Amino acid sequence: SQTIHQWPATLVQPVGSPLSLECTVEGTSNPNLYWYRQAAGRGLQLLFYSVGIGQISSEVPQNLSASRPQDRQFILSSKKLLLSDSGFYLCAWGDNEQFFGPGTRLTVL
Amino acid sequence: KQEVTQIPAALSVPEGENLVLNCSFTDSAIYNLQWFRQDPGKGLTSLLLIQSSQREQTSGRLNASLDKSSGRSTLYIAASQPGDSATYLCAVIDNAGNMLTFGGGTRLMVKP
Repeated sequence: SQTIHQWPATLVQPVGSPLSLECTVEGTSNPNLYWYRQAAGRGLQLLFYSVGIGQISSEVPQNLSASRPQDRQFILSSKKLLLSDSGFYLCAWGDNEQFFGPGTRLTVL
Repeated sequence: KQEVTQIPAALSVPEGENLVLNCSFTDSAIYNLQWFRQDPGKGLTSLLLIQSSQREQTSGRLNASLDKSSGRSTLYIAASQPGDSATYLCAVIDNAGNMLTFGGGTRLMVKP
């Protein structure tokens, strides 16, 4: 069966610090991978998606970037965090049906 | 641009009641619709997937229907239990791609 992992589970970072969130999927090959953000009082917003290694599409221009160095690994990064980057970050895999990881709660102070 | 709306935003019911959650979308050219459950501070759990050619899907006490032409879906929960308390989200995938567009969710509380 397929499983999806995210870490860390929670993170508190100062403004201006870098960020790296990791997502890995097990039990499937060449999955489509997605990063979503869920901010307080707002719905789920798609940030990036990837259909293969090194292929990244950005949905919303912002302070974040994504990379896919391996088939089942998806990384969300930032060089300098902003207060507005706080939120709950969710990774998902799939295509016509999507399955989500446990999420990372990011607080930028 | 696809927009997804869920009504009501919050719902509180006594245990045992049957209830309906509503989801509407503006562009009927969808590939499928997915219902999720989210517990506080947790990720999303997929409940039901309805493909555009289907009218409904059932899983246990859950039944989801889809009326693509009118841009509506409903999630019916039978004999609600306190363990059903969570936020329920619907999302659609457009024919144009694999990206989910989410509604704002319905926060459900089932009181014992």
